Amino acid sequence: GAVVSQHPSRVICKSGTSVKIECRSLDFQATTMFWYRQFPKKSLMLMATSNEGSKATYEQGVEKDKFLINHASLTLSTLTVTSAHPEDSSFYICSASRTGGRKTNEKLFFGSGTQLSVL
Amino acid sequence: SQKIEQNSEALNIQEGKTATLTCNYTNYSPAYLQWYRQDPGRGPVFLLLIRENEKEKRKERLKVTFDTTLKQSLFHITASQPADSATYLCALFSGGYNKLIFGAGTRLAVHP
Repeated sequence: GAVVSQHPSRVICKSGTSVKIECRSLDFQATTMFWYRQFPKKSLMLMATSNEGSKATYEQGVEKDKFLINHASLTLSTLTVTSAHPEDSSFYICSASRTGGRKTNEKLFFGSGTQLSVL
Repeated sequence: SQKIEQNSEALNIQEGKTATLTCNYTNYSPAYLQWYRQDPGRGPVFLLLIRENEKEKRKERLKVTFDTTLKQSLFHITASQPADSATYLCALFSGGYNKLIFGAGTRLAVHP
């Protein structure tokens, strides 16, 4: 099956620093990648949809300047949490779609997630 | 309001029995619904997709049903094994929002 690699798996940082999370599709080209946030025992909340070569589409309530997304190639999307604060501590997960158009959201391949802890 | 609900309490069953997990939704008309498995500290893994015009889908020991009248999907694991222990998420595609909406998941524990 398709593989999506996400790094780092865990990061601890000081308040005020920025953290970059990478999401790579290893064996397929992903025109669309999604970034989610998940709190313990809660559902995945979509933060933004990342399209290669264009600006990301952010969900309502997600700060664009806080969570910078770059999808520079068909195999790599990055999420940068800028000036992180303790309330940004969470599990961040990316996913990629092998198909486009109406099938974009079918059978998503997820990365292994990044646990961010801001002190 | 729109909701997608899964039983928040863990489901504990004996090895070999059939596990049945429920996903209910309100105020959505999804074109399809998906089930994912998530292990602790990991990303979800796709299991099955069922479309609105399909009543049932099977894959090995897994079976999913989709009742658009009841607005419910049932996820069955037959001959369950301890290795099936995980959290199972249902997700429906909202055409109105053009995105996948996830339930909070149900944790399944299969005991030897």
